[in-house]
Amino acid sequence: KQEVTQIPAALSVPEGENLVLNCSFTDSAIYNLQWFRQDPGKGLTSLLLIQSSQREQTSGRLNASLDKSSGRSTLYIAASQPGDSATYLCAVKGHTPLVFGKGTRLSVIA
Amino acid sequence: GAVVSQHPSRVICKSGTSVKIECRSLDFQATTMFWYRQFPKQSLMLMATSNEGSKATYEQGVEKDKFLINHASLTLSTLTVTSAHPEDSSFYICSARRTSGSGAYNEQFFGPGTRLTVL
Repeated sequence: KQEVTQIPAALSVPEGENLVLNCSFTDSAIYNLQWFRQDPGKGLTSLLLIQSSQREQTSGRLNASLDKSSGRSTLYIAASQPGDSATYLCAVKGHTPLVFGKGTRLSVIA
Repeated sequence: GAVVSQHPSRVICKSGTSVKIECRSLDFQATTMFWYRQFPKQSLMLMATSNEGSKATYEQGVEKDKFLINHASLTLSTLTVTSAHPEDSSFYICSARRTSGSGAYNEQFFGPGTRLTVL
């Protein structure tokens, strides 16, 4: 059974810092990995989707990497802003529907 | 991108009543839809997978008689919480998987969620 772990559970950084969120998964037989953002009481916003054949994806200040063999992904956020404060969820897609980690709650302090 | 809507966005009901939540794929056909539940400060947990025209597949521990799922068309799935109790209060999110399209055929698109509060 696929398990997804995200570290750290919570993170607080000053504005302008670069930061890395980590995601690990136990079953490397995946089709893709996706990073989402969730604001309090809201739904999910898809940030980046990495297919299993890809190593990384970039969108603006966000860069996600995937090392399928080791079961790891990172989400890099450059020059963080207070508007980046949210919970970031990692999810992997294998033979089952998307399996989610518990998320990292990010606070960017102005 | 593909758009998934949910209705209602928020519902408050009395204990013992039933509540229906609708999930629609607005600009694509979805053979398969998924229902997730999220408790406060927890991650999304898959409740069930529904395929158009057939019975839903429920995850272990999810009562199929309590959470009725109907996927009657390629753009609509409904979740009915029957005889709701306060412990059913949660955030319910649906997801739809596009049936065609290159590159992202297996991508899941998510609705905005429905906040259910049972008094």
